[in-house]
Amino acid sequence: AQKITQTQPGMFVQEKEAVTLDCTYDTSDPSYGLFWYKQPSSGEMIFLIYQGSYDQQNATEGRYSLNFQKARKSANLVISASQLGDSAMYFCAMRVPKGNSGYALNFGKGTSLLVTP
Amino acid sequence: DTEVTQTPKHLVMGMTNKKSLKCEQHMGHRAMYWYKQKAKKPPELMFVYSYEKLSINESVPSRFSPECPNSSLLNLHLHALQPEDSALYLCASSHLGFNTEAFFGQGTRLTVV
Repeated sequence: AQKITQTQPGMFVQEKEAVTLDCTYDTSDPSYGLFWYKQPSSGEMIFLIYQGSYDQQNATEGRYSLNFQKARKSANLVISASQLGDSAMYFCAMRVPKGNSGYALNFGKGTSLLVTP
Repeated sequence: DTEVTQTPKHLVMGMTNKKSLKCEQHMGHRAMYWYKQKAKKPPELMFVYSYEKLSINESVPSRFSPECPNSSLLNLHLHALQPEDSALYLCASSHLGFNTEAFFGQGTRLTVV
């Protein structure tokens, strides 16, 4: 069964510092996609970054980068130069096959990040 | 346009009421989803529509009834809900396949009294 594990319920980081949010996954499928989403208190889930199982390089999107270690089945999110607006819940997720023709996101339990001045 | 629009943003309903949540996207996505999220928990999948047909029902109680009138719209009809159904209901859409991101709406915060 496909499973996502986030072991850090809460993290603190000072403004302008970098922070790493951990994510490990379990799947026997050779083809999979890993995603990170940000959820501020307003509720919207905001897509941040994607890593495919066959991608040779780690994904990067602006201040977000993904430290993908396939052999260890980990996909940690690195946020550089943290800003106060980065305070939010962060979810790691995997697209898993569902039913006959579909895929859906399975989410980890999330990590609450608080950026302090 | 990478927007998924959900209405209403907030809803308070009694246990005998009938109400509907609405979701709209114009990104040409052929997969649409309903998720339920309780406070401090991850979203849980409820339903998936592929090409306007229900492809996944995650054993959701029949008091929740989804509907996909066309490729841009997704509804969730609510009837005889319980207080424990109070949650954030998130709609999402995506292209089909394992390597595409899903775009989420802002959600409807539902309170059942």
